Amino acid sequence: AQTVTQSQPEMSVQEAETVTLSCTYDTSESDYYLFWYKQPPSRQMILVIRQEAYKQQNATENRFSVNFQKAAKSFSLKISDSQLGDAAMYFCAYRSSTGKLIFGQGTTLQVKP
Amino acid sequence: ETGVTQTPRHLVMGMTNKKSLKCEQHLGHNAMYWYKQSAKKPLELMFVYSLEERVENNSVPSRFSPECPNSSHLFLHLHTLQPEDSALYLCASSRSGTTSGTQYFGPGTRLLVL
Repeated sequence: AQTVTQSQPEMSVQEAETVTLSCTYDTSESDYYLFWYKQPPSRQMILVIRQEAYKQQNATENRFSVNFQKAAKSFSLKISDSQLGDAAMYFCAYRSSTGKLIFGQGTTLQVKP
Repeated sequence: ETGVTQTPRHLVMGMTNKKSLKCEQHLGHNAMYWYKQSAKKPLELMFVYSLEERVENNSVPSRFSPECPNSSHLFLHLHTLQPEDSALYLCASSRSGTTSGTQYFGPGTRLLVL
């Protein structure tokens, strides 16, 4: 069975600085998708970025980028130029070939002004 | 993302009540999902509907009863719930059959069972 692990329950970053959130996963599949979702205090789950496992190039979405290491089964999220609005809980998620989405435990990010 | 709406946003019910949660998606998707999010636990997938047919039921107690009358609407009927069922219930939708199947979430219903 696939598992997703986020080992950092809480992280903090100074406004305008860069922070990296870690995620590791376990799977025997070769074709899958990985996602980072953001859940602010409003509780709305918002898609931040998506990575296809067959692509070697790391996905980038404005200030958000990932470091995808397929062999190491690692999928970290880098937030550059952190803003106060980035404060939220971030979830790493794995989508298997069957379509099932498996979430990690989440990392709460605090942004300090 | 305003493409998926959920009502009500907050619900308080007694253990003997019957209530329903509603989810509607305006994204042209054909797969819909119910998740349960409890404090300090990962999101738990409850039900999956693809093309209006239930394709997954993750050992959810029968006091939760889903209904998907069409590809745009999803309901979760609740009856004789327990206090441990208090949680945030999230609905999501996606395009079934595509390679990525990115799921888009609604704002959730915060449920409190007394």
